[in-house]
Amino acid sequence: EIVLTQSPGTLSLSPGERATLSCRASQSVSSSYLAWYQQKPGQAPRLLIYGVSRRATGIPDRFSGSGSGTDFTLTISRLEPEDFAVYYCQQYDDSPPHTFGQGTKLEI
Amino acid sequence: QVQLVQSGAEVKKLGSSVKISCKASGGTFSRFAINWVRQAPGQGLEWMGEIIPLFASTNHAEKFQGRVTMTADESTSTAYMELTSLTSDDTAVYYCAKVGEGYYYHSSGYSYGDAFDIWGQGTMVSVSS
Repeated sequence: EIVLTQSPGTLSLSPGERATLSCRASQSVSSSYLAWYQQKPGQAPRLLIYGVSRRATGIPDRFSGSGSGTDFTLTISRLEPEDFAVYYCQQYDDSPPHTFGQGTKLEI
Repeated sequence: QVQLVQSGAEVKKLGSSVKISCKASGGTFSRFAINWVRQAPGQGLEWMGEIIPLFASTNHAEKFQGRVTMTADESTSTAYMELTSLTSDDTAVYYCAKVGEGYYYHSSGYSYGDAFDIWGQGTMVSVSS
């Protein structure tokens, strides 16, 4: 089972700043099967990034993903007020379980 | 546009069972890979399992072995997840989520290769004595 570890646990920033969130896998995630989700309080998660760097439909271009192997990054170039939420990475590699990281809370 | 609508909140007794539904609208339900994910209060996301009606296959996380059953009714485009022998640790919001249609099917009975692009709104299950 691939374990995903996200850091930091909490990130305190201000609107307009750049956010960098990390996701490290316990073993290599093959074929770039790594996604990022955003979750706001009381809402279901929303897919932001899949295939490490591909933005899902309707996701603004201030969100970008990068990385390979075991180290992955979600970057939000200029934070908007609506970006403050919890972010999860997930691997959907070629065998279940399709594990999630423990999440990073992005707060003002 | 595919939408997933889940059944309403449940309050259950210790040791009982719960069955949650996830009704899809839009798309071709039989081709969907529907996953179930839960989230305990204040906690992260936990993958539970998956059903793929087209291949009549299911798979689930080892920790739910013997307690979880996932089914699908193609005539109503509805997926179900039943969890038995409930404990207080099962108190959580349960989500169904559809895998993007670029997924691959592995002969061992699971999908891989695409993320969860559509989510249901969640179903709160509270377990108490």
